[in-house]
Amino acid sequence: NAGVTQTPKFQVLKTGQSMTLQCAQDMNHEYMSWYRQDPGMGLRLIHYSVGAGITDQGEVPNGYNVSRSTTEDFPLRLLSAAPSQTSVYFCASSYPGEKLFFGSGTQLSVL
Amino acid sequence: RKEVEQDPGPFNVPEGATVAFNCTYSNSASQSFFWYRQDCRKEPKLLMSVYSSGNEDGRFTAQLNRASQYISLLIRDSKLSDSATYLCVAFSGTYKYIFGTGTRLKVLA
Repeated sequence: NAGVTQTPKFQVLKTGQSMTLQCAQDMNHEYMSWYRQDPGMGLRLIHYSVGAGITDQGEVPNGYNVSRSTTEDFPLRLLSAAPSQTSVYFCASSYPGEKLFFGSGTQLSVL
Repeated sequence: RKEVEQDPGPFNVPEGATVAFNCTYSNSASQSFFWYRQDCRKEPKLLMSVYSSGNEDGRFTAQLNRASQYISLLIRDSKLSDSATYLCVAFSGTYKYIFGTGTRLKVLA
């Protein structure tokens, strides 16, 4: 059972480049979400989804897009990377209200 | 005011000590609560869910006080391996899991 698979583990981008962080889960969870973690800020919710075709914004959605075409996948797109998006990103999934399962994280640097 | 607040610490305690962390939440509609442990910015891992009646798992005890809107975590007989950051999480009725900034614990030999 793979759980939540998040790729890549590390990424370096130049300002203005775009990229997609991949997240997949095999637990048939309705709920999926993306967080970023910065020193002293804890985990902040970027976007979340409660099912295929349904997404919503979290606390810090600007500069990020998401889509949920299947139950399993919830990719996070950076349209035009900025240095302020340098962070560690975590994907997580769950049944709503139950414990979250996390991917192993992506360390992103934007130069 | 942050929706979920924790004392960032660090809490430096000797091995064998008992240590307690509190976490306050502002959304009275929050339905579920959890404590997660995070090591060196790796992915958070569930330590325990927090139930209204309080619950215990070995050396760890979690309590929920809805009237005062806080949850607590008690660690007894601290081990060196307990050194980590402990994250408090509240799930609101709007389908958001909101994390506190975490409390750092260092257990000293």
